[in-house]
Amino acid sequence: NAGVTQTPKFQVLKTGQSMTLQCAQDMNHNSMYWYRQDPGMGLRLIYYSASEGTTDKGEVPNGYNVSRLNKREFSLRLESAAPSQTSVYFCASSEAWGWNEQFFGPGTRLTVL
Amino acid sequence: GDSVTQMEGPVTLSEEAFLTINCTYTATGYPSLFWYVQYPGEGLQLLLKATKADDKGSNKGFEATYRKETTSFHLEKGSVQVSDSAVYFCALSGGSQGNLIFGKGTKLSVKP
Repeated sequence: NAGVTQTPKFQVLKTGQSMTLQCAQDMNHNSMYWYRQDPGMGLRLIYYSASEGTTDKGEVPNGYNVSRLNKREFSLRLESAAPSQTSVYFCASSEAWGWNEQFFGPGTRLTVL
Repeated sequence: GDSVTQMEGPVTLSEEAFLTINCTYTATGYPSLFWYVQYPGEGLQLLLKATKADDKGSNKGFEATYRKETTSFHLEKGSVQVSDSAVYFCALSGGSQGNLIFGKGTKLSVKP
């Protein structure tokens, strides 16, 4: 039982390049989330998927897109990376939307030059 | 909107010292409250939680009590160890987007 897995662990991009961060969970959770973590800012929600087939914007969605591929997988895409997107990205999942505890992946450390 | 405020760090303690990390919140409704811990280079792990007023969450010697009257959820441990060195995040549930709302984190360093 791996919990929440994320790939890659580290990535360096040049400004304007694109990439997709992958996330998968094996806990049969309905809801999945993408957060970014910046120094002194805590974690901020980028996008979420309350259930399979739905996605919605969070607090800081600009410059990102997401896909809920199936119940297990939720990917985050940067179409044209910018230095302001340098951050650590965490995927999380929860049994249901809203009130439950969330389980986090190990994170992807992204640097945009 | 809902928010969480936790004490600024870093906090540096000697081994076996008493730990308190303050956390207060602003929320409409009745959120659940959480403490997460992040060890260096790792993701966040749930440390403890409380789902209603006066509940006490506890785990690995850490405790926190959900105080509705003071809107607080302070984290305590009677005797810290070097292995407790990490960043601690207070969070509440029930954000309008189903998300957890996090404090900014408090870095704890424990010296032998």
